Amino acid sequence: SQTIHQWPATLVQPVGSPLSLECTVEGTSNPNLYWYRQAAGRGLQLLFYSVGIGQISSEVPQNLSASRPQDRQFILSSKKLLLSDSGFYLCAWSVLAGTEAFFGQGTRLTVV
Amino acid sequence: TQLLEQSPQFLSIQEGENLTVYCNSSSVFSSLQWYRQEPGEGPVLLVTVVTGGEVKKLKRLTFQFGDARKDSSLHITAAQPGDTGLYLCAGFKAAGNKLTFGGGTRVLVKP
Repeated sequence: SQTIHQWPATLVQPVGSPLSLECTVEGTSNPNLYWYRQAAGRGLQLLFYSVGIGQISSEVPQNLSASRPQDRQFILSSKKLLLSDSGFYLCAWSVLAGTEAFFGQGTRLTVV
Repeated sequence: TQLLEQSPQFLSIQEGENLTVYCNSSSVFSSLQWYRQEPGEGPVLLVTVVTGGEVKKLKRLTFQFGDARKDSSLHITAAQPGDTGLYLCAGFKAAGNKLTFGGGTRVLVKP
């Protein structure tokens, strides 16, 4: 069966520090991968998506970047965090466009 | 403005009442999905609709996809406290790989 792992669950980082959030998927090959950010009680904002290794589409100009060094690994990074980067970050995967997206447990990031 | 507009943003009702959540767009979608999310967790899929005019039922939940595939609705009959949560619509545009979400509707069902 397929599983998705996202870590860490919570993170408190000072302004100006770097960030690296990792997401890995098991049990499937060549998944579509997604990074979302969610404000409290609101919808999901698509940040990045990838349809293959090294292929990254950015949706929102911002202080973040994403990479897909391996087929089932998706990394969200920042060189210098801003206060506005605080939020709930979710990684997701799907087999194909139009099919169900499966989400990780999320990372609660607080920038102080 | 969001590609998918959900309304209302918040809904508080008494147990046993009915409710409807709307998801609207000016764009055509090849499919629309409805998710439910609990606090601190990722969203979980409830249903996918792909055909214009399609109606799907999941126990007390009824989902409808608009004829033009630009909008969808979620209707809950005789709501229960266990239906409390954040309901999210999401869609794929034709020939696209982006899964775009609406702003969410927070539903609170009071016992």
